[in-house]
Amino acid sequence: AQSVTQLDSHVSVSEGTPVLLRCNYSSSYSPSLFWYVQHPNKGLQLLLKYTSAATLVKGINGFEAEFKKSETSFHLTKPSAHMSDAAEYFCVVSDTSYGKLTFGQGTILTVHP
Amino acid sequence: EPEVTQTPSHQVTQMGQEVILRCVPISNHLYFYWYRQILGQKVEFLVSFYNNEISEKSEIFDDQFSVERPDGSNFTLKIRSTKLEDSAMYFCASTTEGGLWTEAFFGQGTRLTVV
Repeated sequence: AQSVTQLDSHVSVSEGTPVLLRCNYSSSYSPSLFWYVQHPNKGLQLLLKYTSAATLVKGINGFEAEFKKSETSFHLTKPSAHMSDAAEYFCVVSDTSYGKLTFGQGTILTVHP
Repeated sequence: EPEVTQTPSHQVTQMGQEVILRCVPISNHLYFYWYRQILGQKVEFLVSFYNNEISEKSEIFDDQFSVERPDGSNFTLKIRSTKLEDSAMYFCASTTEGGLWTEAFFGQGTRLTVV
């Protein structure tokens, strides 16, 4: 079975400083990995996905993630946080041919002025 | 931009009552899903649905749960006799196809509270 561990339940940064949200995965074969974001009272929105074409994946709103097979990691980064980035972020692995998703526990990002 | 819509946004029901959560997936999507998130816990897969039948379900999805696509647009989750532990946020999702790489589009969720 596949699993995902998000190493921080809460991350707090100042506006304009870098963001790092950590994710480790466990998979018996080559995984597909996603980061989703959820703003208050909104649905889950895809930020980016790893499809094996490139290890560094660029997503929306300036986010990117690097797939590191040797470290089984897929950390999410952004060079400069914006107030609008405050949300909950989920690292997700796709599990089966029917598209079932397995979620990490989520990281709440707080951005201070 | 097309989106998945869920109704209601909040539902309070008494223990033992039946509840139906409704979802309208994106119109050209073929695969449909329900997930739930109990407060403070991970988002958990419940069921996937394709070609008018369940393609996969989790251990959570027992005989108290059922899904239906009654009219080609709505996708519903029914809980036959609700328990306190069914209180959670329920998310509907849809995709154009199955497979590992497909982006899932999620609704905003229905918060179910069982009292």
